[in-house]
Amino acid sequence: AQTVTQSQPEMSVQEAETVTLSCTYDTSESDYYLFWYKQPPSRQMILVIRQEAYKQQNATENRFSVNFQKAAKSFSLKISDSQLGDAAMYFCAYRTWNTDKLIFGTGTRLQVFP
Amino acid sequence: SAVISQKPSRDICQRGTSLTIQCQVDSQVTMMFWYRQQPGQSLTLIATANQGSEATYESGFVIDKFPISRPNLTFSTLTVSNMSPEDSSIYLCSVEDYSYEQYFGPGTRLTVT
Repeated sequence: AQTVTQSQPEMSVQEAETVTLSCTYDTSESDYYLFWYKQPPSRQMILVIRQEAYKQQNATENRFSVNFQKAAKSFSLKISDSQLGDAAMYFCAYRTWNTDKLIFGTGTRLQVFP
Repeated sequence: SAVISQKPSRDICQRGTSLTIQCQVDSQVTMMFWYRQQPGQSLTLIATANQGSEATYESGFVIDKFPISRPNLTFSTLTVSNMSPEDSSIYLCSVEDYSYEQYFGPGTRLTVT
C-alpha cells in the first residue's frame, strides 16, 4: 500500500531564511505525481507545487522548490526567503497516474519568526 | 484553477441530527471528492463523487452515514447523518482538473454536542 510520511511534525524558520520540509513515500509504481499543499490557519488548502515522477528536473515555483529523489522515494520542499505568510501546515501528497485518490502525509507545521 | 465554495462554513449540531454540506464549483468538473479532517490531523478521503453515478466510498465510510449527491457537474452535497461527537471535524470538498491537480473548498467546521 502506498504511504506518505512526514517525519517533522513542526519546523520553524527565521524570516528571510531557508527551510526544508521532508517527505518520503512508499510505492511500487513507477509513474505517479507528488504534491505539496499549504493549509494556513484559515484552513483553505492551497496547492504549492507538483512534481511528475517521470521528470528528472526538480519543480520550482518562485520561492518554492522541491528536491525529488525517485530512487530514495524522497520529495522535500525548500522554501527560500521565508515570509511570515508562509506560516501554515504543509502536507505532502501522492497520486498514481491510474487512480484518482490523493494520499496525504500527516503534515508539518511551519512557524516563521520575524 | 477552480473556485470552490462550501456552505455552511461552520455549524454546531446536536447529536442524532443530520447536516447537509453543499459544495459548488465555478466550472464543470468530472471528479469531486469529500474529505474529513479531524482536529490537528491530516485529510482522510471519505468518497469520490462522479456525476451520474453512485459515489465510491473509502474503507471505513458508508453510504448510510455519509450519503452523497452529485446532481450535475458543478455541485455536490455530503450529508453527515445521525451525528455523534466523533463526527466533529472539518469537512472539505475538492475537485480535480485535467492535470491531476486537486483544488479544495474552504471547508465546513462541524461541532457535534
